Amino acid sequence: AQSVTQLDSHVSVSEGTPVLLRCNYSSSYSPSLFWYVQHPNKGLQLLLKYTSAATLVKGINGFEAEFKKSETSFHLTKPSAHMSDAAEYFCVVSVADTGNQFYFGTGTSLTVIP
Amino acid sequence: DGGITQSPKYLFRKEGQNVTLSCEQNLNHDAMYWYRQDPGQGLRLIYYSQIVNDFQKGDIAEGYSVSREKKESFPLTVTSAQKNPTAFYLCASSIVTSTQRFFGPGTRLTVL
Repeated sequence: AQSVTQLDSHVSVSEGTPVLLRCNYSSSYSPSLFWYVQHPNKGLQLLLKYTSAATLVKGINGFEAEFKKSETSFHLTKPSAHMSDAAEYFCVVSVADTGNQFYFGTGTSLTVIP
Repeated sequence: DGGITQSPKYLFRKEGQNVTLSCEQNLNHDAMYWYRQDPGQGLRLIYYSQIVNDFQKGDIAEGYSVSREKKESFPLTVTSAQKNPTAFYLCASSIVTSTQRFFGPGTRLTVL
């Protein structure tokens, strides 16, 4: 069975400090993993994706994530938070044996303090 | 500009009325999806379609119906059988099911 656990429902950081949003997944097969960002009352925008190529994935707006198979993790990081990063972040797993359905985590709300 | 449009952005309906949410894409994607989002929860799949004139139920299809008469359009009807319809509804599309989803801006439905 496939599932995604986002370990923190809320994260607060000061502007200019690093961001770490944690995601663990469960998958019977090699997964594809995604991070999406959602600003209030907006749709989801893709930040980055892992699809069995390089384990360190760079995305938009300075975000990156590292796929660690041994830890079944796909944590999202950014060296320096900006006020515009305040949003909801979703980790998603998809595997071919389930018809490539997307399984969403419950989201992490990021607050950036000026 | 290529993308997905959803209309309206906000929708209010009285309890017991059916309501149809619009989703249109000009990305030439074969697959389209409807998700429901509730506070503090991830997105849950309502229906999806991989090709015109064909669609499959997702995890929470009860009380909803869809049609896919055109590649570009995938409207969702929220029927009176849906017990708790107030939510944020997101439409998405992808080239095929194996690729990333592109999301529309969403429709917030409030049933009074």
